[in-house]
Amino acid sequence: RKEVEQDPGPFNVPEGATVAFNCTYSNSASQSFFWYRQDCRKEPKLLMSVYSSGNEDGRFTAQLNRASQYISLLIRDSKLSDSATYLCVLPGGSQGNLIFGKGTKLSVKP
Amino acid sequence: NAGVTQTPKFRVLKTGQSMTLLCAQDMNHEYMYWYRQDPGMGLRLIHYSVGEGTTAKGEVPDGYNVSRLKKQNFLLGLESAAPSQTSVYFCASSFGVGWSYEQYFGPGTRLTVT
Repeated sequence: RKEVEQDPGPFNVPEGATVAFNCTYSNSASQSFFWYRQDCRKEPKLLMSVYSSGNEDGRFTAQLNRASQYISLLIRDSKLSDSATYLCVLPGGSQGNLIFGKGTKLSVKP
Repeated sequence: NAGVTQTPKFRVLKTGQSMTLLCAQDMNHEYMYWYRQDPGMGLRLIHYSVGEGTTAKGEVPDGYNVSRLKKQNFLLGLESAAPSQTSVYFCASSFGVGWSYEQYFGPGTRLTVT
């Protein structure tokens, strides 16, 4: 299994929909992860950081299932402005680098 | 407070030419990173630095060199550009390592090697 795997999408959803992305990882020791958001032709920006089981921030909920080694991101009440690529990211080794998934593209339509 | 800046934003090189990409951060971060992003692939680490005067190889270091002579700057050099180095290059910095430390990214440099 590759270190971080994501469904590339695209996910096309209407405004107001609830959408969920999953990400699987190979390092069973991982206890923390990040979701970054990347707009088209822009740099990645941190959306959520999570330690242990999960985190919630407004319409966004991230969860970690260590037994199954998957990570999820749930977006409720989707907005047009949520259209972006969402990157599942794990902390790497002691050098502090991040291990990125390839990203899941979300397109929210009116 | 500009965060992380990168110059240039765009560049076209011919095979065999050399160039240097400059990354600057004004947040007093110790850690700095160079990543490349290619279509269909996640960001991959090229080189990184854990402090002024130190550098180390990442996942895909071949064909690149780096230097960190000043804490706020991290330079990425291509000595002899190849078409395989066509990519978007992102610099990032962080205060520390681990889940509680955000990595801040620059806007990227789009490099095409013909």
